[in-house]
This record gives sequence, C-alpha cells and structure tokens, in this order.
Amino acid sequence: GAVVSQHPSRVICKSGTSVKIECRSLDFQATTMFWYRQFPKQSLMLMATSNEGSKATYEQGVEKDKFLINHASLTLSTLTVTSAHPEDSSFYICSARKGGTDNSPLHFGNGTRLTVT
Amino acid sequence: AQSVTQLDSHVSVSEGTPVLLRCNYSSSYSPSLFWYVQHPNKGLQLLLKYTSAATLVKGINGFEAEFKKSETSFHLTKPSAHMSDAAEYFCVVSDGLPPSGGYNKLIFGAGTRLAVHP
Repeated sequence: GAVVSQHPSRVICKSGTSVKIECRSLDFQATTMFWYRQFPKQSLMLMATSNEGSKATYEQGVEKDKFLINHASLTLSTLTVTSAHPEDSSFYICSARKGGTDNSPLHFGNGTRLTVT
Repeated sequence: AQSVTQLDSHVSVSEGTPVLLRCNYSSSYSPSLFWYVQHPNKGLQLLLKYTSAATLVKGINGFEAEFKKSETSFHLTKPSAHMSDAAEYFCVVSDGLPPSGGYNKLIFGAGTRLAVHP
C-alpha cells in the first residue's frame, strides 16, 4: 500500500538553530501534503497545506517565516523550523494525498518528535 | 463551520468487552467522516471512513461506525476489545465542500484514549 516516510523520527536541537523535517511519499506522487502539529495529549492541528510547485497555504496563527515549507517535487515536502525555541517542541506529522482527485486518501507519516533545549 | 466533538477523553474497558467511542459533528454540508487510530509516537492509521454511501461503515481490525444524521453522530464500536487496541482514537470530519467532499482539509476531534485491561 501507499507509504509516507517522515525523517527524522526524533531530533533534539539547541535554541536558535534550525531543523528540517522531510516527508516523502514512497510509492505514489503527492500533489498535496499537509503538515500537522500535535502537543502532548492533544489533537492534531493543521499548520499548512503544501502544494507541489507553488507556495504553501498556512493556517491562521502559523508563522510562515518560522515554519518554512518547500514542496519541490511530487514525492518530497520539507518543513524547516527556523530559529527554534523551546515552545516549538512538539510532535510534527505530515500527510500526503495521492495525486488525482479530491477524494484521494490521505496517508500519514510516523511523525517527528522535536525537542528544543 | 465544521467541528467534531469526542465526548470522552478517556475510555477504559476490559479485554473481550465491547468498545464504544463517541463522536458528534457539526457540518454545514454533507460531511465525510473518518476514524483514525494513533499508537504512541506513531503516525495515524485510517480505521474507516464514511462518504455518503452506506451509513454503517465497517473498518479494519473489527471496528465499525454508524453515521446517524438525525443525531449528528458517528460513534465507533467494536464487539470485543483486544489489548492491541489500546491507543488514541481521533474522529475527523472533512472540510471539503460539496460536491468534492472526500479527503480535503481534515478537522480533528480532541481524541479519545482507549485503555484495555486484562
């Protein structure tokens, strides 16, 4: 079946540094990818929608200059947390929609646990 | 605006007993509804989906859910719980507008943590 790979699964970084998280669709082309953030014991909150070849669409309250999204190919989207601070520590999950119709299923990565010290 | 309310933050059952995870939704359109399961530090796995076909939806691992428009509910059930069912469950509504609906932007409920005891 379809698989979405997210890397790294865990990352620890120092405050002020930047971290890049990759989301890859392994056996299908993904025209659209979604980035979510999940705080401990809470639900997923959509951060942004990443569209291949165009700018990402950010949800209200999400700083686009802090959370840089690049979707340069049909199989890869990246989320870069710039100048990370401890409050950015969270679980980040991507999902990819198989190219085609709006009814294409969403497939989720296994998430990235970011800890900023 | 669409929203999802999961009525229980925690549910605890004994192995072999039925599971009921409750979900209510609000939607201005005919919604698409989903249940996802998340094991610790993992991504989400789709259990089942409702997209305006049969109101009783059967999913993986013995789970099923019934769409009740009159009650705006989409409760998740399983006749007999297994230890491996212990996880976080999310009820989700699609933000798609008619007629596309389907897998557009997803609105997640707060989640229900299911504990299964021997």
